[in-house]
Amino acid sequence: GDSVTQMEGPVTLSEEAFLTINCTYTATGYPSLFWYVQYPGEGLQLLLKATKADDKGSNKGFEATYRKETTSFHLEKGSVQVSDSAVYFCALSVGNDYKLSFGAGTTVTVRA
Amino acid sequence: GAGVSQTPSNKVTEKGKYVELRCDPISGHTALYWYRQSLGQGPEFLIYFQGTGAADDSGLPNDRFFAVRPEGSVSTLKIQRTERGDSAVYLCASRLNAGRNTEAFFGQGTRLTVV
Repeated sequence: GDSVTQMEGPVTLSEEAFLTINCTYTATGYPSLFWYVQYPGEGLQLLLKATKADDKGSNKGFEATYRKETTSFHLEKGSVQVSDSAVYFCALSVGNDYKLSFGAGTTVTVRA
Repeated sequence: GAGVSQTPSNKVTEKGKYVELRCDPISGHTALYWYRQSLGQGPEFLIYFQGTGAADDSGLPNDRFFAVRPEGSVSTLKIQRTERGDSAVYLCASRLNAGRNTEAFFGQGTRLTVV
């Protein structure tokens, strides 16, 4: 079935460090790919998405590129801030119903 | 409010009891989803409504779980004969419609604890 594997955490970084969270997927069709973020005490929010191969999603300084050849959608940010501390989830959906399959989540803590 | 609202935010129940969890989607959103998130895991799909009908209930784990959306707005997730393994955060999300590029908005969830 459709599934997502993302790098295990927790990840602890210093402010202004470079962040990468790896995500690979398995899908029967042509998935749309997503990164969701859950800040402390808040609900899940869409961070960025890409709907076809080679698309790059970007938001709040984060980027991820849909790589069909490596079935990956790695999340990157060049300079993290304390406010980026959150749990990050990679997810996919196949078709129009937006039924999401999530990874297990990666907890990121950024220290000042 | 403008977002997806879930009530209660926390629910503690005894093993074997019946519980109902409520989701108020964003006004006008036709698509509604329930997910379950166990500790340390990502959310898992339970059921998807398009309007009043369940378009996909393949994620419901067994027949103790049931969900309704009688008027195409508010939805209730019902769990009979609760078990300790049902303890999790139950998330609801809504989308404007079934179009490929419409975003899903999540509520903050109901934390269910079965003791």
